[in-house]
Amino acid sequence: DAGVTQSPTHLIKTRGQQVTLRCSPKSGHDTVSWYQQALGQGPQFIFQYYEEEERQRGNFPDRFSGHQYPNYSSELNVNALLLGDSALYLCASSLYRARDQPQHFGDGTRLSIL
Amino acid sequence: AQSVTQPDIHITVSEGASLELRCNYSYGATPYLFWYVQSPGQGLQLLLKYFSGDTLVQGIKGFEAEFKRSQSSFNLRKPSVHWSDAAEYFCAVAFTGFQKLVFGTGTRLLVSP
Repeated sequence: DAGVTQSPTHLIKTRGQQVTLRCSPKSGHDTVSWYQQALGQGPQFIFQYYEEEERQRGNFPDRFSGHQYPNYSSELNVNALLLGDSALYLCASSLYRARDQPQHFGDGTRLSIL
Repeated sequence: AQSVTQPDIHITVSEGASLELRCNYSYGATPYLFWYVQSPGQGLQLLLKYFSGDTLVQGIKGFEAEFKRSQSSFNLRKPSVHWSDAAEYFCAVAFTGFQKLVFGTGTRLLVSP
């Protein structure tokens, strides 16, 4: 039973560029959430997708956008990259109707901005 | 605002000694509470969760946590620490429909021989 998979594992970009990160949820899950974890900090909620729509959003600018596909996989897009966007980006999946079950996390994508 | 506080940034414990990691939250109602562990370069692994019922919950790897409503706390404990427990530990709460997690800043556990 495959867990949450994220790609790529590492990425290096320069300021002003755009980046796309990908996530495949755990088998049977239909909801994907994205978190940003800066060095030495706890993860911060970016947004959540269910039924191909953004359902909740944290305190992140519009430069951060996402998408969910019919197979439940998801992408996180970040435009006009800033040095402060350097972080570990974590994807978590869950089953929307199973509110008593916790989210499962992938190993993350480490994004470095030069 | 909803918040989670982990007051200890680093904790060093001798192997075989007991462990307690502190977590306090700020919210008007009882949230859903979690402890996650993160090894270097890895994602988050769930240790245990509290939704309702018995306030002492058991998790994986011999960890347990106790919810104390009067103190707004959810402290993590282990009676005997192993060297493999060295990692970063995060307390998290969910306030709306389990789906949005708010994390503390984490506690780094170091295990000395």
